[in-house]
Amino acid sequence: QITLKESGPTLVKPTQTLTLTCTFSGFSLSTRGLGVAWIRQPPGKALEWLALIYWDDDKRYSPSLKSRLTITKDTSKNQVVLTMTNMDPEDTATYFCAHTITTDWLGWFAPWGHGTLVTVSS
Amino acid sequence: DFVMTQSPDSLAVSLGERATINCKSSQSILNPSNNKNHLAWYQQKPGQPPKLLIYSASTRESGVPDRFSGSGSGTDFTLTISSLQAEDVALYYCHQYYSTPQTFGQGTKVEIK
Repeated sequence: QITLKESGPTLVKPTQTLTLTCTFSGFSLSTRGLGVAWIRQPPGKALEWLALIYWDDDKRYSPSLKSRLTITKDTSKNQVVLTMTNMDPEDTATYFCAHTITTDWLGWFAPWGHGTLVTVSS
Repeated sequence: DFVMTQSPDSLAVSLGERATINCKSSQSILNPSNNKNHLAWYQQKPGQPPKLLIYSASTRESGVPDRFSGSGSGTDFTLTISSLQAEDVALYYCHQYYSTPQTFGQGTKVEIK
């Protein structure tokens, strides 16, 4: 059974850097074809894809946020870390990580972690 | 970016009746190399993460009730709940995974009439 869990601060100040960790079980990010994505959801709003990292360390970023995002993996710890710099109140959202599989193309997201709410406020 | 537009934004359906949600992509998400539509549907209940219902536009995820079905190709897709149950009250999102950045529709809220 695959599970994922997000962790990190619940409150950050404007201009600070956010670091979120996704700790997963039930799969290894050293397995060909597997990946972990980050998606966020502002309160009452739609989902927004942020970044994705694959087993081979291939990384993809949302172009609109690319300058602020870094995604890394620690295969030995079964963790994926997302950092977002220069946080703004508009970045207030629930941040989810999700498992994905790529065969010959990009893949859907399943399952998802429960998410962690991050509030940006001074 | 591929813009995904869902309609309607919300709908109210009587228990046991059919609910239909549409999703339109600004560009085709049919992959000519594998003849698959890179479109997924998710269900999100309050306080919960999205749950995958459908992938490749029409393939039901394991464990998803067969009252949920997906159809469409190219740019136009539909999620149908054939007989709405109380537990189906939720937000539903479409998602294209054909192109980076991957994008979602704005969501459709399904309620009981």
